[in-house]
Amino acid sequence: DIQMTQSPSTLSASVGDRVTITCRASQTIFSWLAWYQQKPGKAPKLLIYKASDLQSGVPSRFSGSGSGTEFTLAISSLQPDDFATYYCQQYHTYPVTFGQGTKVEIK
Amino acid sequence: QLQLQESGPGLVKPSETLSLTCSVSGGSISGSGSYWGWIRQPPGKGLEWIGSVYFSGGTFYNPSLKSRVTISVDTSKNHFSLKLSSVTAADTAVYHCARPVNRGINDGFDIWGQGSMVTVSS
Repeated sequence: DIQMTQSPSTLSASVGDRVTITCRASQTIFSWLAWYQQKPGKAPKLLIYKASDLQSGVPSRFSGSGSGTEFTLAISSLQPDDFATYYCQQYHTYPVTFGQGTKVEIK
Repeated sequence: QLQLQESGPGLVKPSETLSLTCSVSGGSISGSGSYWGWIRQPPGKGLEWIGSVYFSGGTFYNPSLKSRVTISVDTSKNHFSLKLSSVTAADTAVYHCARPVNRGINDGFDIWGQGSMVTVSS
């Protein structure tokens, strides 16, 4: 299985900060990467598909970049609604696998 | 608007079989040309893909669970189901059903059910 490793595991930030989350794959996945946001008690919400394609309705402060084995999710100006846990997922190879998550907390 | 809703017992005894159903509304499984998936999340932990079923019945399972998982589809009821046998406490999790973005087996998931918490305990 392809291992997905996210860093950091927890991130403390303030409203208005720019934050970045890194996701590394154990082998190349080209651009077959998705990012999700999850809030407590809710299902994950797809934010970004194919590494950098913003899903409809997702604020433009979210962006994704990278290819191969290293990827980044950036939030340009953190808003109160953005405090949540973020997961990456590779879908290049069966079985699809997820990162362990990055929790974005209020500083 | 497509919606998914999981249902099933919230408590299962160790060694027994966990059974959940995902009901699809706002769209037809039979006309979808899509795979439909199950994903679980143990309390406080990350996400694990369990397996997926094609609208016509073909299946793919996570090799780590393959010996214990059966996923099936009932197009007449517009739902698909998960069975996980010989459960242990490690199978305690929120179980989500989900639909892939481009209907494929290797894909992201854009539509999710709210999740069904299943606890394995005697």
